[in-house]
Amino acid sequence: QKEVEQNSGPLSVPEGAIASLNCTYSDRVSQSFFWYRQYSGKSPELIMSIYSNGDKEDGRFTAQLNKASQYVSLLIRDSQPSDSATYLCAVRTGNMLTFGGGTRLMVKP
Amino acid sequence: DVKVTQSSRYLVKRTGEKVFLECVQDMDHENMFWYRQDPGLGLRLIYFSYDVKMKEKGDIPEGYSVSREKKERFSLILESASTNQTSMYLCASSLYRVHGNTIYFGEGSWLTVV
Repeated sequence: QKEVEQNSGPLSVPEGAIASLNCTYSDRVSQSFFWYRQYSGKSPELIMSIYSNGDKEDGRFTAQLNKASQYVSLLIRDSQPSDSATYLCAVRTGNMLTFGGGTRLMVKP
Repeated sequence: DVKVTQSSRYLVKRTGEKVFLECVQDMDHENMFWYRQDPGLGLRLIYFSYDVKMKEKGDIPEGYSVSREKKERFSLILESASTNQTSMYLCASSLYRVHGNTIYFGEGSWLTVV
């Protein structure tokens, strides 16, 4: 069973701080990695994808991938109350997309 | 924009009832998926379909079946609902078979079995 692990949180950060969300995966041959944001009662929406080791930046979001450590993270700079949501990590291995349990982020004004 | 529509947002059913959850997508995607989402467990794949009349089991198919009679429509069926099927169900469609950046989700169907 391929596993994708996330700390369920809640992770609480003050407005303007950096939020760091972490995800580990068990299968070394996993190829693609995704972060989704899910507001309460809503469907997940893709915010970042990353395929190779290193950092990928998109606005206030930075995804970091370390395949040797089987670790992927999402950094949110200048966190806003509107970033409060559950963040799901997803890992593609072969033809399967496996989701983590999600981390709930709370950004306090 | 891709639209995935789940017709029933909130349902309350009795144990033993047959339950249909309907999903329609408007982007002519061949690939459709049903997930359930429970707190702390993330999204778990129930069934998926790569084409009309085709279906394949996901990670947790027990107690469920599916129907794909038309390309745009993918139905999830609970033949005899049980309380442990109380959950949020998400339908999704995708341009490619499995690629995380081309999968689009519906708004979800909250099912309570009493």
